[in-house]
Amino acid sequence: AQKITQTQPGMFVQEKEAVTLDCTYDTSDQSYGLFWYKQPSSGEMIFLIYQGSYDEQNATEGRYSLNFQKARKSANLVISASQLGDSAMYFCAAAEADGGSQGNLIFGKGTKLSVKP
Amino acid sequence: EAQVTQNPRYLITVTGKKLTVTCSQNMNHEYMSWYRQDPGLGLRQIYYSMNVEVTDKGDVPEGYKVSRKEKRNFPLILESPSPNQTSLYFCASSNGLAGLSTGELFFGEGSRLTVL
Repeated sequence: AQKITQTQPGMFVQEKEAVTLDCTYDTSDQSYGLFWYKQPSSGEMIFLIYQGSYDEQNATEGRYSLNFQKARKSANLVISASQLGDSAMYFCAAAEADGGSQGNLIFGKGTKLSVKP
Repeated sequence: EAQVTQNPRYLITVTGKKLTVTCSQNMNHEYMSWYRQDPGLGLRQIYYSMNVEVTDKGDVPEGYKVSRKEKRNFPLILESPSPNQTSLYFCASSNGLAGLSTGELFFGEGSRLTVL
């Protein structure tokens, strides 16, 4: 079974600095996808970035990049040049592409990021 | 506008009174799913559906039922709600495995349910 671990319940970062949010995953499948979502205080879930298990290059989307280290089963989110609007809850998630658990998207417990002015 | 619509957004009910939270998407998505979000636990999958008439249990299905009679609708049914089902519920949809595997999961705005 999959498991997602986010070890940082909360983090602070100074505005304009970069921050890394940690995520490790545990899956026995060879084919899987890794995602990050943002949940602002308003409650909606916003998709940020995706990394496929066979993608050799780290995914990037604007100020977001995913530091994918397959051997370490690590999928850390890096936010560059933090902005006050980045203050939110961030969830790491994974979905297996093969086998009977297709469609079972597993989320971590989240990291609350606070950006200080 | 592409969206996932949940109703009601807020509900306070009493133990044992059956309720249904509706979810509808207008994107012709094959995949739909329900999650509950609780403080310190993140989002946990309740049920998901890969297509019409196909549903599967997620990680926390106890106390819930779902149905997928039409592609656009995926209601969540609490036959006999209990206080431990007080939570924030999210419905989500995706364009099948292709969409899910690329993370393009569209979420509804959430339904906050309180069971007294």
